[in-house]
Amino acid sequence: KNQVEQSPQSLIILEGKNCTLQCNYTVSPFSNLRWYKQDTGRGPVSLTIMTFSENTKSNGRYTATLDADTKQSSLHITASQLSDSASYICVVSVRAGNMLTFGGGTRLMVKP
Amino acid sequence: DTEVTQTPKHLVMGMTNKKSLKCEQHMGHRAMYWYKQKAKKPPELMFVYSYEKLSINESVPSRFSPECPNSSLLNLHLHALQPEDSALYLCASSHPGLSGELFFGEGSRLTVL
Repeated sequence: KNQVEQSPQSLIILEGKNCTLQCNYTVSPFSNLRWYKQDTGRGPVSLTIMTFSENTKSNGRYTATLDADTKQSSLHITASQLSDSASYICVVSVRAGNMLTFGGGTRLMVKP
Repeated sequence: DTEVTQTPKHLVMGMTNKKSLKCEQHMGHRAMYWYKQKAKKPPELMFVYSYEKLSINESVPSRFSPECPNSSLLNLHLHALQPEDSALYLCASSHPGLSGELFFGEGSRLTVL
């Protein structure tokens, strides 16, 4: 069964600190992995897409890593800001078809 | 234009009402999706249209009826809904096959009384 597990479920950090969110998946055959940021009551916004051959991809203060051998990904947020408070969702797609498997998300709260 | 526009942003309806949610994109995407999202849960896929044809229906009750009038528009018709159908309904679009980006709209917050 295709599954995507994220940890932690929730996280509170102080403004300016770094944090790392984890995503483990069992989706097969793997096509790509995406990280989305979702503000409360809003639609998800893509942060990165990573394919099988990519190990690291950055988008500003967000850096995603992918280890296709261990089927793990992480999202590292540097120098957190209050506006980083949101849910971060890991989504994995299978090769062929329109099927995505969503993780349960990590709810991040950045406090001043 | 990299936006997916959903209307209305908020909708309150009774269980006997008929209403519709609308979604529009002008990115040339030929795959469009409806997702349902409950609080603190990830989005759940409801329907997928590929080249204006329904390709996936995730066993959604018939009180939800999707429609894709053309390649830019996607509707979700609602009739005889239940209070447990209250949720955020998200529309998304992409190039078919999902090898590329999936763009989400801001969502329509539905409350069924």
